[in-house]
Amino acid sequence: KAGVTQTPRYLIKTRGQQVTLSCSPISGHRSVSWYQQTPGQGLQFLFEYFSETQRNKGNFPGRFSGRQFSNSRSEMNVSTLELGDSALYLCASSSGQGVNHEAFFGQGTRLTVV
Amino acid sequence: AQKITQTQPGMFVQEKEAVTLDCTYDTSDPSYGLFWYKQPSSGEMIFLIYQGSYDQQNATEGRYSLNFQKARKSANLVISASQLGDSAMYFCAMRGDQGGKLIFGQGTELSVKP
Repeated sequence: KAGVTQTPRYLIKTRGQQVTLSCSPISGHRSVSWYQQTPGQGLQFLFEYFSETQRNKGNFPGRFSGRQFSNSRSEMNVSTLELGDSALYLCASSSGQGVNHEAFFGQGTRLTVV
Repeated sequence: AQKITQTQPGMFVQEKEAVTLDCTYDTSDPSYGLFWYKQPSSGEMIFLIYQGSYDQQNATEGRYSLNFQKARKSANLVISASQLGDSAMYFCAMRGDQGGKLIFGQGTELSVKP
């Protein structure tokens, strides 16, 4: 069974540009969550999608957005990039939203904004 | 508000010895799940073990066990017979009954010495 696939693995962008990251969850999983990891702030929740609907959103500016498609694949978009957006972006997939549903992560996309 | 606290930024352990990584949590949710993840330098978050708040037994997965003390709100990870490949960052996380969002601690960097 294939794991969670995130593409691309690495990205270098310039301030002011926008970027789109992709996440393909484990087959059959309908919940996809996104997290930002930085040395200073640690792991922070961005948003969660379940069956194409955003169910939860973290405390991030509107420049961060996402969506989920009917096949459960998800994308997140960051517009007007800032230097502080440089981070490892992790996607997690779960079969459900309950407390006992394990979240499996992809390898992440490492974004560098210059 | 939910919170996870990991008070050990870094730890050393001798190969083949056991090590305990501390995790305390705070939540007002009646049910919740506690998770431990391993993050090697490659960046991928690897799921290790899960403990549900209503589970009577402590969870075990191979060399990993979770010492769950509900009254103390602690969920310590015990790694038995440490191996060099166990050197990594370890994160404790919690999911409450508000959806799929995971709250992470700041992590503990474990170094296994030969």
